[in-house]
Amino acid sequence: DQQVKQNSPSLSVQEGRISILNCDYTNSMFDYFLWYKKYPAEGPTFLISISSIKDKNEDGRFTVFLNKSAKHLSLHIVPSQPGDSAVYFCAARAGGTSYGKLTFGQGTILTVHP
Amino acid sequence: KAGVTQTPRYLIKTRGQQVTLSCSPISGHRSVSWYQQTPGQGLQFLFEYFSETQRNKGNFPGRFSGRQFSNSRSEMNVSTLELGDSALYLCASSFPGTGPGAFFGQGTRLTVV
Repeated sequence: DQQVKQNSPSLSVQEGRISILNCDYTNSMFDYFLWYKKYPAEGPTFLISISSIKDKNEDGRFTVFLNKSAKHLSLHIVPSQPGDSAVYFCAARAGGTSYGKLTFGQGTILTVHP
Repeated sequence: KAGVTQTPRYLIKTRGQQVTLSCSPISGHRSVSWYQQTPGQGLQFLFEYFSETQRNKGNFPGRFSGRQFSNSRSEMNVSTLELGDSALYLCASSFPGTGPGAFFGQGTRLTVV
């Protein structure tokens, strides 16, 4: 039972344009959603998070949108840069004391072309 | 502030052996979690320790175990290794009250032959 899904295995974008990465979830108990960026043979790097009580969070070029009714979130990167090329993981955390228990999607490979 | 440190970075073991991986969290972080990353299954949660107690556990067999010491450093152990245990093992640390973003180490690449 995959509770967090990233249905697009890959995304290719031109430098300077917008990258939109999508994520769907099924568990209504998730209270925080996070996005991570990962390079091969390295650990994920935290990018941005959003609480389930908000619908938008912005940090520089990164914006995350949450649609609770659709159980859908997206990460927007504007403008996209070649250095953004990596695997992006969506993750979710259920409430309570589960600070360290994250459920991850399968990841989306983002390629930004110069 | 130093990040999450995992040792060793690479490890080759033979099927049937056991292995111990180590993780030192960010100073002040008391929660340490372990994840397994494989090409087929993605990133899967193994277990979480907080103040030396296992607080959450993922859906892995009993061959996978862990512990946390009083200084928050953590170890995970895999006994009777199987070929399918070959993976990148990631450790993450977090501090309650500072937000949910866990900080990951670079991982230990375990290869079972």
